Parts: sequence; C-alpha cells; structure tokens
Amino acid sequence: KQEVTQIPAALSVPEGENLVLNCSFTDSAIYNLQWFRQDPGKGLTSLLLIQSSQREQTSGRLNASLDKSSGRSTLYIAASQPGDSATYLCAVRPEEDSGGSNYKLTFGKGTLLTVNP
Amino acid sequence: DTEVTQTPKHLVMGMTNKKSLKCEQHMGHRAMYWYKQKAKKPPELMFVYSYEKLSINESVPSRFSPECPNSSLLNLHLHALQPEDSALYLCASSQAIQGQGSPLHFGNGTRLTVT
Repeated sequence: KQEVTQIPAALSVPEGENLVLNCSFTDSAIYNLQWFRQDPGKGLTSLLLIQSSQREQTSGRLNASLDKSSGRSTLYIAASQPGDSATYLCAVRPEEDSGGSNYKLTFGKGTLLTVNP
Repeated sequence: DTEVTQTPKHLVMGMTNKKSLKCEQHMGHRAMYWYKQKAKKPPELMFVYSYEKLSINESVPSRFSPECPNSSLLNLHLHALQPEDSALYLCASSQAIQGQGSPLHFGNGTRLTVT
C-alpha cells in the first residue's frame, strides 16, 4: 500500500527566504506526482505535475524535482512571499493497474507554510 | 480562478433534509471525481465517473448518491446525513482515468455543515 509522507508538517519563514518542502513515497511504481496548494477553506490548486520519466518541472518561482527510485520529491520555492502562505500537498498517481486504470491518487498530509512579512 | 465550478459554496442542512451539490467543468474532461476532506486531513476519494458512467464507489454510504447528467456536470445528492458528514466536499476532473498522467483539477469545494 502506497504511503506518502510530507516533512515538515509546518514551516514558518521570513519573507524573501528560499525554502524546500519534502515529499516521500514508499512505492516507486508511480505514474506521476502532483504538487497542490490549498488556501484555508478552499479547494486544491494544481502547481506542478511531474511525470515518472521526468526529473523536474518549473513554474515561475517554483521548482519541483522527482527521484523516483529513492521515492522522493521536493518543492523549491524561491524568494518566498506572504501570499505563498498555504498548505502544500503532494499526491502520487500509481502506474496503471491490470485494467489500465490509475485513477486513485495517494495524498500526503501536507505542509502548512507561513511566510511572515 | 478555478476551471471547475462548485455550488453552493456553503450549505447547512438538517439530518432529515435532502440537498444536492453541483459541479461543472468545461475543459472537455471525461473523468470527474467527488472527494471529501475533513479539517487538517488530505482529501479522500468518494466516487469516480468515467465517460459519464460510475466507475468507482469507494464504499461510500448510500446517503450519498452521485449523478452525472452529462459530460460537464456532476451532482452529489445528499439525504439523511449525519453530523459527522460535515466536511469540505471537493469536485475534481481530469482528462481520463487511464494513462496519460493528466493533472487533476479541483473546484473550490462546498463547505457542508450537518446539524
């Protein structure tokens, strides 16, 4: 059974700092990994999707890496801003099953990020 | 702005009420999902529709009844809920449930309170 762990559970940093959020998974048979952000009481916003064959993806100040063999992904946020404060979740999609489906994502519990002005 | 729209944003209902949650997407996605999220927990999958047919029911109690009237719409009918069903209900969509590895897109959710 796939298990996804995110460390740390909470992180507080001053504005402008570069930071790294970690995500680890126990089963390397994944199709892709997706990073989300969730603001309080809101839905999940997709940030980056990394396919299993990729090593990293970048979007603006965000960079996500994937080391499938070691079961690890990191989300790097450069020059953090107070608006980056949110909960960040990672989720892995499994490889296709015998029926060709891989619908069920396994989520981590998230990292609550606070960026202080 | 989210490309998956959910209504209502908030809903308070009694245990004897019948209500419905609605979800709409216009991205041409053929897979749609209902998730339930309790406070400080990750989302939990409830139902998956693929090409407007129910593909997955994650052992959800029958007081929750999903419906997919067409490829753009997804409903969740609620009846005789319990206070412990209070949660954020999230709708999501993706291109398909097989392969592709397409990203999952979520709506902003409906905050449900059962009194």
